[in-house]
Amino acid sequence: DAKTTQPTSMDCAEGRAANLPCNHSTISGNEYVYWYRQIHSQGPQYIIHGLKNNETNEMASLIITEDRKSSTLILPHATLRDTAVYYCIVRGYNNDMRFGAGTRLTVKP
Amino acid sequence: KAGVTQTPRYLIKTRGQQVTLSCSPISGHRSVSWYQQTPGQGLQFLFEYFSETQRNKGNFPGRFSGRQFSNSRSEMNVSTLELGDSALYLCASRSSPANTGELFFGEGSRLTVL
Repeated sequence: DAKTTQPTSMDCAEGRAANLPCNHSTISGNEYVYWYRQIHSQGPQYIIHGLKNNETNEMASLIITEDRKSSTLILPHATLRDTAVYYCIVRGYNNDMRFGAGTRLTVKP
Repeated sequence: KAGVTQTPRYLIKTRGQQVTLSCSPISGHRSVSWYQQTPGQGLQFLFEYFSETQRNKGNFPGRFSGRQFSNSRSEMNVSTLELGDSALYLCASRSSPANTGELFFGEGSRLTVL
């Protein structure tokens, strides 16, 4: 059901930038890309979303390629508390939000 | 303002029983979605309700049902429970399906079926 593919897992050193890629090659022109993360057994937490332009907020930056077929979530200075599963979601044609398997990011000291 | 509230947080049932889970969305939100999360299958979409109508449904058997009340609160029901129904059930709300803003999730109801 999910329209995105992400690496299963990634590691990042504490204090360094974490770059999480996502492929969404079948995305349509009016479909948004969303990123959520889930820390063990808690409800998913919204991070950021975008349509065409790059976006930045207090948590992260979202870089969307010009053809919109892929995007990268950037956590500029990863901390141990950023260890979580990160989900990239393309909102469906009927506006539903379907999650894929996500990327398990481990931030190491 | 208060977030999405799910009750109960934990419950244990036996096979064949039924269970009802409740979700109170953020005030003003009229859309409620339900998800099932298991270690093997990840986060799977169950259904979404908006203005008391089910507008979208995932690939789950008819044992899984839901409803939404006029105050936007939602319940989901699972009948004839199976061991495989053991999962974290998450509820999420947003103002409307057309809104491009975020989904807000509750902490979930963890169901164990023995």
